Amino acid sequence: AQSVTQLGSHVSVSEGALVLLRCNYSSSVPPYLFWYVQYPNQGLQLLLKYTSAATLVKGINGFEAEFKKSETSFHLTKPSAHMSDAAEYFCAVSDRGSGYSTLTFGKGTMLLVSP
Amino acid sequence: GAGVSQSPSNKVTEKGKDVELRCDPISGHTALYWYRQSLGQGLEFLIYFQGNSAPDKSGLPSDRFSAERTGGSVSTLTIQRTQQEDSAVYLCASSERTSVDTQYFGPGTRLTVL
Repeated sequence: AQSVTQLGSHVSVSEGALVLLRCNYSSSVPPYLFWYVQYPNQGLQLLLKYTSAATLVKGINGFEAEFKKSETSFHLTKPSAHMSDAAEYFCAVSDRGSGYSTLTFGKGTMLLVSP
Repeated sequence: GAGVSQSPSNKVTEKGKDVELRCDPISGHTALYWYRQSLGQGLEFLIYFQGNSAPDKSGLPSDRFSAERTGGSVSTLTIQRTQQEDSAVYLCASSERTSVDTQYFGPGTRLTVL
């Protein structure tokens, strides 16, 4: 069964600082991995996804994530935080066990950015 | 508008009443998903449609929940005899074929059961 763990329900950074949001997954088969962002009162928007091509995936808004099979991790990073990055971020996994038909989400990490 | 739309945006109902939530996916998307987002539970998968059929209903929390999709397009999620624990934001998403394809989410319906 697939599952996702996001470490830290809240992460606070200063504007201009490095953003690191952690995601670890559990999957019995090679997974597909996703990061979504949710701004207040809006639906989710895809930031990036890993589908077994390059292990370093670049997404929108300057975010990137690296798939590390040995660590079962898919952490999200951004070199320099902007105030507009404040939102909730969700890591998700889909694998062959589910027929790649569904996503299992982590519980989310709220990113707070201070001036 | 090319995005996923959901209606109503907000729904307040009394315990025991039935409610219907609607989702209009992106035109041409064959896959449609319903999720529930509530405090403490995060995002929970409810049901997945491929065309008009639902190969995966494993996330429906009880038999009070049902969903259908007609014409390979619009989907309706029905909750019968609502309970206070049903209060949540219900999100719909669609993708071209499977979840490997990008899922596009609607803005959600906020359901409050009094």
